[in-house]
Amino acid sequence: DAKTTQPNSMESNEEEPVHLPCNHSTISGTDYIHWYRQLPSQGPEYVIHGLTSNVNNRMASLAIAEDRKSSTLILHRATLRDAAVYYCILRDVWGGAQKLVFGQGTRLTINP
Amino acid sequence: DADVTQTPRNRITKTGKRIMLECSQTKGHDRMYWYRQDPGLGLRLIYYSFDVKDINKGEISDGYSVSRQAQAKFSLSLESAIPNQTALYFCATSDFRKGEQFFGPGTRLTVL
Repeated sequence: DAKTTQPNSMESNEEEPVHLPCNHSTISGTDYIHWYRQLPSQGPEYVIHGLTSNVNNRMASLAIAEDRKSSTLILHRATLRDAAVYYCILRDVWGGAQKLVFGQGTRLTINP
Repeated sequence: DADVTQTPRNRITKTGKRIMLECSQTKGHDRMYWYRQDPGLGLRLIYYSFDVKDINKGEISDGYSVSRQAQAKFSLSLESAIPNQTALYFCATSDFRKGEQFFGPGTRLTVL
């Protein structure tokens, strides 16, 4: 499985945008980029995913570099509830098991 | 009601005991997964199942076994628990047509 690299931790202020980076220089053409987050004392929850084009949903936006070797998860207006560990994961679109390989993620702290 | 439930939520046991963790889902998904999370680390896949007749080992299956009793139920067993199996265990489900996984609330297992 392709590897991703994320900063161990980031800090931001409430109501400001947050940009969480992820590097995946060995990504293959059939890898989707997935983001999950894990709130304290909870299981991970899906945030967003994309293949080549930028994606938006009610939770966040995903900006994918043109060469697909990096991506950025964008929280447009952070709230205290967004404090969590964010995982960037590559999933092979042809991988029948849909296995997710979790790294250590980025621990996001939101200051009031 | 939660879509993915896990029982028990917390369990303390002794070395050598047999332990079963249970997972049930009401999402109608065909695929189910068991993950383990150690403090400060991401999740690691133990076993996964495509359907009732299909069981596959993940990256850390040694010391564990599973049973898929029905589409909605997937159990994880520790035949003879040992202290280094102390961890947070998560069950997850997904639909074969989509990559998004839905996680349960987790079971905190302590082996003394």
